[in-house]
Formats: sequence, structure tokens, C-alpha cells
Amino acid sequence: DADVTQTPRNRITKTGKRIMLECSQTKGHDRMYWYRQDPGLGLRLIYYSFDVKDINKGEISDGYSVSRQAQAKFSLSLESAIPNQTALYFCATTQGTGELFFGEGSRLTVL
Amino acid sequence: GENVEQHPSTLSVQEGDSAVIKCTYSDSASNYFPWYKQELGKRPQLIIDIRSNVGEKKDQRIAVTLNKTAKHFSLHITETQPEDSAVYFCAARTGNMLTFGGGTRLMVKP
Repeated sequence: DADVTQTPRNRITKTGKRIMLECSQTKGHDRMYWYRQDPGLGLRLIYYSFDVKDINKGEISDGYSVSRQAQAKFSLSLESAIPNQTALYFCATTQGTGELFFGEGSRLTVL
Repeated sequence: GENVEQHPSTLSVQEGDSAVIKCTYSDSASNYFPWYKQELGKRPQLIIDIRSNVGEKKDQRIAVTLNKTAKHFSLHITETQPEDSAVYFCAARTGNMLTFGGGTRLMVKP
């Protein structure tokens, strides 16, 4: 089945470490997103990309960077992780302006 | 930017009763309003959506209503079942940005 895959699914790291979360999709969608989920705050958009040469900041991009290596791959990096970046991170894709298809999530804990 | 408020944050109902979740949005340019369901430990999945040129949409036991003048939209679930227990998120899209509400944890008691 065409899907959205995230790695790693769980990661524990220490303050100051560099972390990369990877996302790949087999849906053939052009648009890819990174969201962060915190209890009571819903899903907040970090970055999004509409094609390989297009990168856009979302509402909470500070402290994060992204790379769109190919149409099917979109990575999120935390250059120097801090404890308040502990959260559940979701990658999502869509074709056009319709339904978002989410990956299974990557739980990150920063000690 | 867009701001989406969602209420209540938690909702407990008896099996068979109805559940209503309400959202308000701030940007009158928003034109697409989806609802996502997230079961425990799972990814969010779209359950229903409505566009700004429609006032109501129904799909079996779930329905969504939109009041553009008041800038609010609601999710209605009738004849609730234990498998409806989940976190529900509303969202509103303005341009290329989809902004989510804070979520509602629905618990259906058997």
C-alpha cells in the first residue's frame, strides 16, 4: 500500500545534540509537511514543501530546518535539541489542497 | 495568521448518545474545514470535511455544519459507539496553511 513512513519512530537524546527525522512517501504526492503535536495544542506546522526546490516556514519553524532531498523524501533536523522540543512529530503529504495523509509519527524526547 | 479554537477539550458520553464538538476560526478567508480522528497511538486520519460554499455535510453517523457568518463549524456524531473514542481535531485552511484546533478527547462509555 502506498504510505508515508517516518524514521525513527522513537528517539531519546540529550540537550545540544543534532537530530534528524526522516520521512518518505510512496503516494506520489508533491506536497509534504512536518507537524509537531503537543497535548492541548493540536498539530502545529513547522515547515512545508510543494516540490524539491520549494521550502516554506510554518508557524513554529525556529530551531528547526528541513531538506527536501527528492519528491518522496522530506527530512526535519533539530540542529541543537532542547527539552521543549520534546514532542510527537508527524510528517504528512497531500496532492493539491485536499486530504492530508500522515505518517505514524516520531516521538522525540530531549533530556 | 489563522487561529482555531476548539471546545470542549474533553467530552464523555454514554454509548448511543450524541456528541458535538465546536470550533471557531478567525480568518474569514478560510475556505476548507476538515476534521481528523486520532485513535490512541495512531496517526490522525480524515473523517469528514466541508468547503466554504456548503453549509452542512453528512456521512452516516457523522455530520459537519459550517456558519461562515459566525466563523464557526461543528462536528456531530450520533449514536456514539465505543470505537468513536479518540481525539478529534478540527482545522481551517487559509491559502496554503492548514491550522488545527487543540483537539477534543472523546470518551464513549459502554
